[in-house]
Amino acid sequence: DTGVSQDPRHKITKRGQNVTFRCDPISEHNRLYWYRQTLGQGPEFLTYFQNEAQLEKSRLLSDRFSAERPKGSFSTLEIQRTEQGDSAMYLCASSLGSAASTDTQYFGPGTRLTVL
Amino acid sequence: AQSVAQPEDQVNVAEGNPLTVKCTYSVSGNPYLFWYVQYPNRGLQFLLKYITGDNLVKGSYGFEAEFNKSQTSFHLKKPSALVSDSALYFCAVRDFPNNNDMRFGAGTRLTVKP
Repeated sequence: DTGVSQDPRHKITKRGQNVTFRCDPISEHNRLYWYRQTLGQGPEFLTYFQNEAQLEKSRLLSDRFSAERPKGSFSTLEIQRTEQGDSAMYLCASSLGSAASTDTQYFGPGTRLTVL
Repeated sequence: AQSVAQPEDQVNVAEGNPLTVKCTYSVSGNPYLFWYVQYPNRGLQFLLKYITGDNLVKGSYGFEAEFNKSQTSFHLKKPSALVSDSALYFCAVRDFPNNNDMRFGAGTRLTVKP
């Protein structure tokens, strides 16, 4: 299967701990996106990379959140000093095309974070 | 900023009947519109998109959607529903050229009963 993969699929942590999630996009996709989805809601945009450059960040992305895509391939999303409100599904998507606005994004299965 | 509304939390249809899942949007530029489906324990799967051109867009699994600019709507339709179509459906919009963020609706749960 050559779709978007995310690791881990589930993460349970205690409040105040740091967590890191990994996303491997579809091979050769130049754009990578992170979203957060809470129960009963649609995904909310967090941030977006074109190759290794982080081009957009949502106001939802507080200072405790940081994302990287060091070689323009996989990406990591780190949450420092987790809070119970961070509990959500974190989704990664990737796309390939000439314009981000028209690209189709392909989503991974998500990482479900539970903060106790 | 762009927004999208899915006015129905839940849609129930009988197998073999036509289905419609509603979506309306608000943008200040040009709308680029998308439909995704989410099955339990799986990621969102792309169904179809409208960027420009023909207002009727055909997508995966027999789904189609009609872009209606005057009503700012992009309803998802299928002529004959299958039990396997039961899932959570999300409409999303981008506001071109103002930003590349994709704004999702809250989702509509479709249940197709045999």
